[in-house]
Amino acid sequence: AQSVTQLDSHVSVSEGTPVLLRCNYSSSYSPSLFWYVQHPNKGLQLLLKYTSAATLVKGINGFEAEFKKSETSFHLTKPSAHMSDAAEYFCVVSDQRSNYQLIWGAGTKLIIKP
Amino acid sequence: EAQVTQNPRYLITVTGKKLTVTCSQNMNHEYMSWYRQDPGLGLRQIYYSMNVEVTDKGDVPEGYKVSRKEKRNFPLILESPSPNQTSLYFCASSPSRQGSTDTQYFGPGTRLTVL
Repeated sequence: AQSVTQLDSHVSVSEGTPVLLRCNYSSSYSPSLFWYVQHPNKGLQLLLKYTSAATLVKGINGFEAEFKKSETSFHLTKPSAHMSDAAEYFCVVSDQRSNYQLIWGAGTKLIIKP
Repeated sequence: EAQVTQNPRYLITVTGKKLTVTCSQNMNHEYMSWYRQDPGLGLRQIYYSMNVEVTDKGDVPEGYKVSRKEKRNFPLILESPSPNQTSLYFCASSPSRQGSTDTQYFGPGTRLTVL
């Protein structure tokens, strides 16, 4: 069965330094992969998605993620953190074999230090 | 404005009292879905629907019912709520029938407390 593991429940970085949020997935078929962001007391918003096109995917607010099939990873990065990036981030996987169910990771809370 | 609306936003109820949380989207989307969000568990899919009159179970369907009589509406029904259904609930919609390969648009959430 497909699954998603977000390797860190919390990540703390200083403003202006790089961000790395790690995600590993398990899927036998060609997966679709997503990152969503949830700001405090707000709804969820799509950051970026991979659906079998370019392996390096660019999203909103300067975020990007790289699909690495050999490592079954889809890590989210940003070169320089901003205070407004403080939020919870979710990695999500879906594939045809699971009848298009969406499986969500447990989330990574990103903390930005001034 | 294109949006997904949920009502109510907050609800406190007692064990066993049937309730319905409504979800409506005005984007003519095919795919709709319900999730619950609990601390440390991320979002878990309860039910989803790829078309009118077509619904499928997600990961945690026990204790919930849904219906999709019209394209725009996808209500979540708790026939006999229990305290373990206390959670934050999100409705989402997506343009294509295979909505899980497409962007999901989320409602604002419904915080449910069952005493």
